[in-house]
Amino acid sequence: AQTVTQSQPEMSVQEAETVTLSCTYDTSESDYYLFWYKQPPSRQMILVIRQEAYKQQNATENRFSVNFQKAAKSFSLKISDSQLGDAAMYFCAWGGGSEKLVFGKGTKLTVNP
Amino acid sequence: DVKVTQSSRYLVKRTGEKVFLECVQDMDHENMFWYRQDPGLGLRLIYFSYDVKMKEKGDIPEGYSVSREKKERFSLILESASTNQTSMYLCASREAGRTEKLFFGSGTQLSVL
Repeated sequence: AQTVTQSQPEMSVQEAETVTLSCTYDTSESDYYLFWYKQPPSRQMILVIRQEAYKQQNATENRFSVNFQKAAKSFSLKISDSQLGDAAMYFCAWGGGSEKLVFGKGTKLTVNP
Repeated sequence: DVKVTQSSRYLVKRTGEKVFLECVQDMDHENMFWYRQDPGLGLRLIYFSYDVKMKEKGDIPEGYSVSREKKERFSLILESASTNQTSMYLCASREAGRTEKLFFGSGTQLSVL
């Protein structure tokens, strides 16, 4: 069975600085997709970024980028120029051959002014 | 914008009651999902549906059932609520295809007393 591990239950960062959230996964499938979702205090889950496993180029969305290491089964999220609005729970998720997504346990990010 | 609406934001029920959690999406999505979110455990899939009247068990289906009579509506049923079902319940939908992003409702916080 596929598993997704987020080893950092909580992280904090100073406003305007950079922070990296870690995610590792375990799968025997070769074709899959990875996602980072954000859940602010409003509870509304929002897609931050997604990565296709067959693409070597790391995905980027404005201040958010990933470091995808397929051999190491690692998918970390880097947030540059952190803003107060980035404070949230962040969930890493894996999607493979079925329609299901497997989520990690989440990392709570605090942004200090 | 896609809208996924969960009928209640907060719900309080008694042990043994039959509980219905309703979810409606307005974008004609094929796939709909019910997740349970608990602190420290992340999101765990209860059930999902890939078409009307079609359903598949997720990772923690025990104590739950679902109904999808119309494409836009996916109901989660707790046949006999128990205190260990106190949790946040998140509904999500997406188009068919594992690359597609999930659209989430804003969650129902259920307390079973």
